[in-house]
Amino acid sequence: SQTIHQWPATLVQPVGSPLSLECTVEGTSNPNLYWYRQAAGRGLQLLFYSVGIGQISSEVPQNLSASRPQDRQFILSSKKLLLSDSGFYLCAWSLGFTDTQYFGPGTRLTVL
Amino acid sequence: QQQVKQSPQSLIVQKGGISIINCAYENTAFDYFPWYQQFPGKGPALLIAIRPDVSEKKEGRFTISFNKSAKQFSLHIMDSQPGDSATYFCAAWMLPMPNQGGKLIFGQGTELSVKP
Repeated sequence: SQTIHQWPATLVQPVGSPLSLECTVEGTSNPNLYWYRQAAGRGLQLLFYSVGIGQISSEVPQNLSASRPQDRQFILSSKKLLLSDSGFYLCAWSLGFTDTQYFGPGTRLTVL
Repeated sequence: QQQVKQSPQSLIVQKGGISIINCAYENTAFDYFPWYQQFPGKGPALLIAIRPDVSEKKEGRFTISFNKSAKQFSLHIMDSQPGDSATYFCAAWMLPMPNQGGKLIFGQGTELSVKP
């Protein structure tokens, strides 16, 4: 069966520090991968999606970037965090764009 | 046009009652409508989904009703239980545009509380 992992589970970072969040999927090949941000426990905002290694589409211009160095690995990064980057970051995968998306457990990021 | 409007924002239901959450959309390019359930501190989990060629889908105590002409769909939770207390999101899948993948558009969520 397929599983999706995210780490770290929680992170507290100072403003201006870098960020790296990792997402990995097991049990499937060539998944579509997604990064979402959820603010205030509601509303999911799509940040990035990827259909393959090195292929990243950005939905919202912002202080973040994404990379997909391996088929089942998706990384969310920032060079300098802003207070507004605080939130709950969710990674998701699907086998195709018309398939259901399955979410990971999330990373709670607090920028102080 | 890409929005999915969800209501109510919060809902309190007595144990054993029926919980009803509504969503509406404008874009006829949407063709897949999932509902997700999210517990505090956890990622959303798929609950039930429907395609527009079906007017109703039932899975256990959860039912989706879909009205294509009105561009509305709703989630009904029968015999609501305290364990159903969570945030529920409706979503709509937008077909891929040229040079783009399709994407899920989420409603803003409904916080359901089922009182014992």
